[in-house]
Amino acid sequence: QSVLTQPPSVSGAPGQRVTISCTGSSSNIGAGYDVHWYQQFPGTAPNLLIYGDVNRPSGVPDRFSGSKSGTSVSLAITGLQAEDEADYYCQSYDNSLSAVVFGGGTKLTVL
Amino acid sequence: EVQLLESGGALVQPGGSLRLSCAASGFTFNNYAMTWVRQAPGKGLEWVSVVTGDGRATYYADSVKGRFTIFRDNFKNTVYLQMSSLRAEDMAVYYCARNHLSCSHAACYDPWGQGTLVTVSS
Repeated sequence: QSVLTQPPSVSGAPGQRVTISCTGSSSNIGAGYDVHWYQQFPGTAPNLLIYGDVNRPSGVPDRFSGSKSGTSVSLAITGLQAEDEADYYCQSYDNSLSAVVFGGGTKLTVL
Repeated sequence: EVQLLESGGALVQPGGSLRLSCAASGFTFNNYAMTWVRQAPGKGLEWVSVVTGDGRATYYADSVKGRFTIFRDNFKNTVYLQMSSLRAEDMAVYYCARNHLSCSHAACYDPWGQGTLVTVSS
C-alpha cells in the first residue's frame, strides 16, 4: 500500500486528454511538499517529467502538465500519442515517515 | 553529457552482502546529493537512501536501515551502496539518481542511471 495513491491504470484514444491523480495526506502533499512526476517505459529507467508540482524539465513537451489542489495532484496529458504509453509515478516527501515516497504507479494505455 | 552508470548487481544468497557502484560523469559531482531508488520485479519505485554532496549526511528507508550503507568518493565521482544481510525482498533493480538542484521542498531526481539487478536467492 503506497503512501501516495494513484489509479493502477488509465487509458485514452490518440488525441484525447487523460489525467492521472495522485492523492496523499496531511503529512506529505497536504503539508506543502512538492510533488514530482516520472515517466517510465518498460525495461528502462524513470525520467523526470514534472517537478515542483507544475514545472517541466527542458525537452518535455507542453502536452504534459501538472496541477495541485489540497492533498491531491494531477498529471494531465493532452493530445495523447502512442508513444505516451508508459508507467507514470508521482513522488513527494512524507514528514511522518521522514522519507521520500512514491505513488504505486499508473499504467497509461493508448487505445 | 550527464551520465550515471551503475554496476555491481549480481545473484547473492539470503544473508549475503553486495556493493553497488554508480559512476558519474558530465557534472561537478560534489555539488549534488545522490540517491538510490529500487524497483522490485513488476512493482513500483521505492526510495532507498540518499547521501549529501559532501558525504557527511546520509538517510535511509526504514526497510534498509542498519543493513545498507551509502557513501561516496568525490575523487572518483562514484557513489556506492553497501548492502548486507540481504533478504528476498531486497531483490530489485537498483537505480542511482542525481538530486535535482531545483527541487528543494522535496527532492526530485534527474537523471537516473540504467539500473543494476540484484537477485537474492538460494
